[in-house]
Amino acid sequence: EPEVTQTPSHQVTQMGQEVILRCVPISNHLYFYWYRQILGQKVEFLVSFYNNEISEKSEIFDDQFSVERPDGSNFTLKIRSTKLEDSAMYFCASSEGIQGILNEQYFGPGTRLTVT
Amino acid sequence: AQRVTQPEKLLSVFKGAPVELKCNYSYSGSPELFWYVQYSRQRLQLLLRHISRESIKGFTADLNKGETSFHLKKPFAQEEDSAMYYCALSASNTDKLIFGTGTRLQVFP
Repeated sequence: EPEVTQTPSHQVTQMGQEVILRCVPISNHLYFYWYRQILGQKVEFLVSFYNNEISEKSEIFDDQFSVERPDGSNFTLKIRSTKLEDSAMYFCASSEGIQGILNEQYFGPGTRLTVT
Repeated sequence: AQRVTQPEKLLSVFKGAPVELKCNYSYSGSPELFWYVQYSRQRLQLLLRHISRESIKGFTADLNKGETSFHLKKPFAQEEDSAMYYCALSASNTDKLIFGTGTRLQVFP
C-alpha cells in the first residue's frame, strides 16, 4: 500500500541554522500539508499546498517558513533560521482530493526536529 | 474560532469493558469530524469519519450537533485498541484539520 515518506526521521540543528524537511507524498495525491506537534501539545496545522501554490497557512507559518514541490515528487518544508521553539515533530500529509472520501489525509511518520 | 476538546488525557480500561472517548467541538457551521489513531511506533491514520457512518474495528462515533460532540465508542475493548486517539475537525470552507489534544487509551488484560 502506498505511504507518505519523510526524511530524515530525526534532525538536530543549532539555533539560527536553516533546515529542510523532506516528504514524498502518495503519487496520485494532489493536496499536500504540513503539521507540527510540539512535545505534549496538539497536532497543529501549518500549511496546505495545491497546484504549486499555498492554499492556506496558519499564523505559525510566518516568513521563516516556506514550502516547495521542487521536482514533482518531493514536498519540502524549509525553516530559514531555526529557533528553540521550532523543536517539534513535523508531519507531512497528502490527500487525493478535498471532497467526500477523497479528502482523507494520509500522514507520514514524522520528522523530529531538535533545535539546540 | 474552531476548536476541538478532548477532556481526558488518559483512559484506562480492562479488556472487554466498554470504552467511550469524548470529543467536543466548537464551530458555528457544518463541520466534518474525524477520529485518527496512532498505535505505538506507527503513523497517524484515519479511524473513521462521521460522513461514512460506519464501524471500524468495532468503533463507532455519532455526530451530535445539539451537544457539539463526536464521542468514540466501542462496546468491548481489546488490548490491541491501546493507542493514542485524536479527534479532528475540518470546517466547511477549508481542508485543514484541527486536532484535539488526544486521549491515550490503555486496555489492560
